Amino acid sequence: EDQVTQSPEALRLQEGESSSLNCSYTVSGLRGLFWYRQDPGKGPEFLFTLYSAGEEKEKERLKATLTKKESFLHITAPKPEDSATYLCAIKPPWWDSNYQLIWGAGTKLIIKP
Amino acid sequence: DGGITQSPKYLFRKEGQNVTLSCEQNLNHDAMYWYRQDPGQGLRLIYYSQIVNDFQKGDIAEGYSVSREKKESFPLTVTSAQKNPTAFYLCASSIGKGSSGANVLTFGAGSRLTVL
Repeated sequence: EDQVTQSPEALRLQEGESSSLNCSYTVSGLRGLFWYRQDPGKGPEFLFTLYSAGEEKEKERLKATLTKKESFLHITAPKPEDSATYLCAIKPPWWDSNYQLIWGAGTKLIIKP
Repeated sequence: DGGITQSPKYLFRKEGQNVTLSCEQNLNHDAMYWYRQDPGQGLRLIYYSQIVNDFQKGDIAEGYSVSREKKESFPLTVTSAQKNPTAFYLCASSIGKGSSGANVLTFGAGSRLTVL
């Protein structure tokens, strides 16, 4: 069964303390990996799509990278407003009978001022 | 502004009642989705629709029903057959299959259902 595992479950950082969130997956031949941000009581908001190993995308203090088995969301010099839950999802290959997004449980990031 | 509107934001259900969650989008997206979110778990797909008057079951469709009579609307009914309906429900939409960006979902703000 295809799986997506995010770690850690929760991460507390001081403002300005850089770190990384991990999203590992078991599927072969994925058709895309997606990062979303979710604030409490709201719907997820799209951040990045990555399609192939070695690809990188950046947005403000966030950079997403992809290898053959995992993706990292690097956060550089975070601010309190970066506090949120970060969700990862993969699109399985077309031959997967599911072929719908498979979601990780998320990493709750807390940035303390 | 274009987006997805879910209502109500909070809903309480008594045992044995059916409730309907509304989802309306003005993004002109072809595909719409319903997800359920529980603490400590990834989003789970309930139903999805790629085109008007057609929809498919997701991973956890039992106890739920949907309709897609208009492109803009995709209401979800939580029936009394759903034994554990307390959860946060998210509606999403995307550009139709085959288009670039087809896999990028736009989500509504969610509806929180509590069973009394």
